[in-house]
Amino acid sequence: DTGVSQNPRHKITKRGQNVTFRCDPISEHNRLYWYRQTLGQGPEFLTYFQNEAQLEKSRLLSDRFSAERPKGSFSTLEIQRTEQGDSAMYLCASSSTVTGANVLTFGAGSRLTVL
Amino acid sequence: AQSVAQPEDQVNVAEGNPLTVKCTYSVSGNPYLFWYVQYPNRGLQFLLKYITGDNLVKGSYGFEAEFNKSQTSFHLKKPSALVSDSALYFCAVRDILGGADGLTFGKGTHLIIQP
Repeated sequence: DTGVSQNPRHKITKRGQNVTFRCDPISEHNRLYWYRQTLGQGPEFLTYFQNEAQLEKSRLLSDRFSAERPKGSFSTLEIQRTEQGDSAMYLCASSSTVTGANVLTFGAGSRLTVL
Repeated sequence: AQSVAQPEDQVNVAEGNPLTVKCTYSVSGNPYLFWYVQYPNRGLQFLLKYITGDNLVKGSYGFEAEFNKSQTSFHLKKPSALVSDSALYFCAVRDILGGADGLTFGKGTHLIIQP
């Protein structure tokens, strides 16, 4: 297993465009999390899935953000009508409720720059 | 609501000396506590956790942390620092009674080990 994989690693877009990030978790992990990290800050929780069900979503998350995990494997995070304030590193993590739901394995992240 | 404070942006330690990275937390109920480390261009890596039991927990790379309920602290320690320990360290908390499964991270502390 190669760990948690995120694509693309970097994305530069113009304000108002839509972007989509993909996360492939560790195959046996049933939980998948999305976090956002800006410079000088710790990761900020966005949402998480258990299998294909989205169980929690941050109250701070704009309606422009949507995440899916249709088959309980990979997940996508889409940001519509991007704004400059969306520029950040988007982190995906996964865990297993069998071996330890509280221990998250993170991917390297997808960096978004909105011009 | 749950929160984490890491009062030091940066900690400088000479190689071979003991190190401490401070973390305090706030939760409504009892906490799950974690330390993660982030190396440049790498995903966050799990170091150790406190769920229940002994207040002193041992983790990866010789690190340990002490849970102090009265001081609401979970400081990260290592008896003898290595240059390779230089990285960004994050403390995280989850309130087990709050119902939120997402971890709340601190802002991070840069640990610099000087040869």
